[in-house]
Amino acid sequence: RKEVEQDPGPFNVPEGATVAFNCTYSNSASQSFFWYRQDCRKEPKLLMSVYSSGNEDGRFTAQLNRASQYISLLIRDSKLSDSATYLCVDSGGYNKLIFGAGTRLAVHP
Amino acid sequence: EAGVTQFPSHSVIEKGQTVTLRCDPISGHDNLYWYRRVMGKEIKFLLHFVKESKQDESGMPNNRFLAERTGGTYSTLKVQPAELEDSGVYFCASSQDVSGLGNTIYFGEGSWLTVV
Repeated sequence: RKEVEQDPGPFNVPEGATVAFNCTYSNSASQSFFWYRQDCRKEPKLLMSVYSSGNEDGRFTAQLNRASQYISLLIRDSKLSDSATYLCVDSGGYNKLIFGAGTRLAVHP
Repeated sequence: EAGVTQFPSHSVIEKGQTVTLRCDPISGHDNLYWYRRVMGKEIKFLLHFVKESKQDESGMPNNRFLAERTGGTYSTLKVQPAELEDSGVYFCASSQDVSGLGNTIYFGEGSWLTVV
């Protein structure tokens, strides 16, 4: 079983739609998680950290469910510029990030 | 402020040759990491430097890979001899501090390696 699993997608949504990605992790001792965004042939960039109480940053909301060992990312009012691959990441103690394979999002007009 | 820079951005070499990848972290970042993504797989950790010391090299695939960070500034990752399965993108990253969710790890744009 992979340490971090994600649905590869692609998720094809129209502009303005709300889309949610889920991610599961295998290490019940893991404490912290991140969502990274990666554009085609570019580097991963931190989108947001995931706090146990859930956190929101503009149109983006991240949630952590420790009991079920999953993390979610909700994007509201999707923009064309949101098209990218979203990477779910277990902090692995911070010095050793554990990446999921990513979920592709394509937002169309 | 300059981000994490990597060189070369692309490299095509023949099986059995040697390639050296270079990474310049963000100035002042003591922590430097190497990750790689091979075709169809997720990004995987290779190793972590704190200044010039290897803190964790558990992700290095085999002894054909050698990473150095002399003087605690830039780092090199040498693959010798390269094999076909080494093809992929090698990301370098850096951070100021490993502790806390507030710590951000910044990635370079990657060095794309193709072994033919």
